[in-house]
Amino acid sequence: EAQVTQNPRYLITVTGKKLTVTCSQNMNHEYMSWYRQDPGLGLRQIYYSMNVEVTDKGDVPEGYKVSRKEKRNFPLILESPSPNQTSLYFCASSLYGKGDEQYFGPGTRLTVT
Amino acid sequence: TQLLEQSPQFLSIQEGENLTVYCNSSSVFSSLQWYRQEPGEGPVLLVTVVTGGEVKKLKRLTFQFGDARKDSSLHITAAQPGDTGLYLCAGDRYGGATNKLIFGTGTLLAVQP
Repeated sequence: EAQVTQNPRYLITVTGKKLTVTCSQNMNHEYMSWYRQDPGLGLRQIYYSMNVEVTDKGDVPEGYKVSRKEKRNFPLILESPSPNQTSLYFCASSLYGKGDEQYFGPGTRLTVT
Repeated sequence: TQLLEQSPQFLSIQEGENLTVYCNSSSVFSSLQWYRQEPGEGPVLLVTVVTGGEVKKLKRLTFQFGDARKDSSLHITAAQPGDTGLYLCAGDRYGGATNKLIFGTGTLLAVQP
């Protein structure tokens, strides 16, 4: 089944404790991205990747890191999480880029206390 | 500054009513996508509009792209409880120097039986 998987689905952590949210897709997609979703603000793009080893900032990259060592994986790293990073996070992938259908993962709800 | 503004933000209607959701911008887009997101899940693509003035129909849903490709609308005829969800528009900005995909603020629709 073609899908985007994210882990964990739920995470409660404390300020400053490094964490990684994994994202994997099995559709051989070139383009992958991370979004955060907050009430009233819609989906805001954090980082995106056009291909392996190619990543670029989205609209809200501060406090986040990403890597794209393999085509299928695109982990999101929070080196020192803060309470303002409490949010619902989505990973997405598409065949080539922003104009193609985006396939979203199920989301990761992160709470930073 | 939000590049894509959606209205209304919230809409609660009775089954059988018609409704229209708007997605507006001062920027020109190469294409616009509409997604629906149900609770606990990631957004799922409904349609992509590419040509100015284009109208696409998906059963009871009618999507229109403005002539100037700056706005779009989604009209639902005879809404049903299954239409309940968050509707998001997303734009591929024309002439944009980056590969960022821009999402609107979202319209939360509740259809009461």
